[in-house]
Amino acid sequence: SAVISQKPSRDICQRGTSLTIQCQVDSQVTMMFWYRQQPGQSLTLIATANQGSEATYESGFVIDKFPISRPNLTFSTLTVSNMSPEDSSIYLCSVGRGAAADNEQFFGPGTRLTVL
Amino acid sequence: GENVEQHPSTLSVQEGDSAVIKCTYSDSASNYFPWYKQELGKGPQLIIDIRSNVGEKKDQRIAVTLNKTAKHFSLHITETQPEDSAVYFCAASPGYSSASKIIFGSGTRLSIRP
Repeated sequence: SAVISQKPSRDICQRGTSLTIQCQVDSQVTMMFWYRQQPGQSLTLIATANQGSEATYESGFVIDKFPISRPNLTFSTLTVSNMSPEDSSIYLCSVGRGAAADNEQFFGPGTRLTVL
Repeated sequence: GENVEQHPSTLSVQEGDSAVIKCTYSDSASNYFPWYKQELGKGPQLIIDIRSNVGEKKDQRIAVTLNKTAKHFSLHITETQPEDSAVYFCAASPGYSSASKIIFGSGTRLSIRP
């Protein structure tokens, strides 16, 4: 499986500010995703990061709040904009090869965000 | 859309005993069922998965079973050890590649009593 790193690993931010989270993979991957995991909860897909085009957002998530970049096949960023305490969560990126009959997704270590 | 229900939400077993976690799914088109283990402070780790053309899969002390007719699948851990303590998530996906969305269950917090 790919080695996935995220930066920062954790942060404490003030409300109204923005934070950009980076996801780096050690090999080229077709698919990159961003998830949110609220305290003690399950994982919710925010969006699919598409290389060379706009991300595909899930219902309830919008580009203005969670802008995503994916400049190449090994890197993506997620920005949490105009943060409020409700944005306090773990943000996770995951990757997949995207090959036929290969559904596996692998997760990074996560970014633990606390908004005061 | 797909809905995955998981139970129990918490499970405590004696070290050496077996643990079983059960999930049901709603979308008959789902054909890929992964299980993830999340330890405290870490991201989810894929531990085993099963596809709809297989009824059972085993990897050392862990096994998964799938009943397509009833739309339920289970994770079995035998001879539990302290390092098995974690949160386990089941999931379901309707597609044939990782381009397909994965829907997660609510999680089971497994504690192994020494």
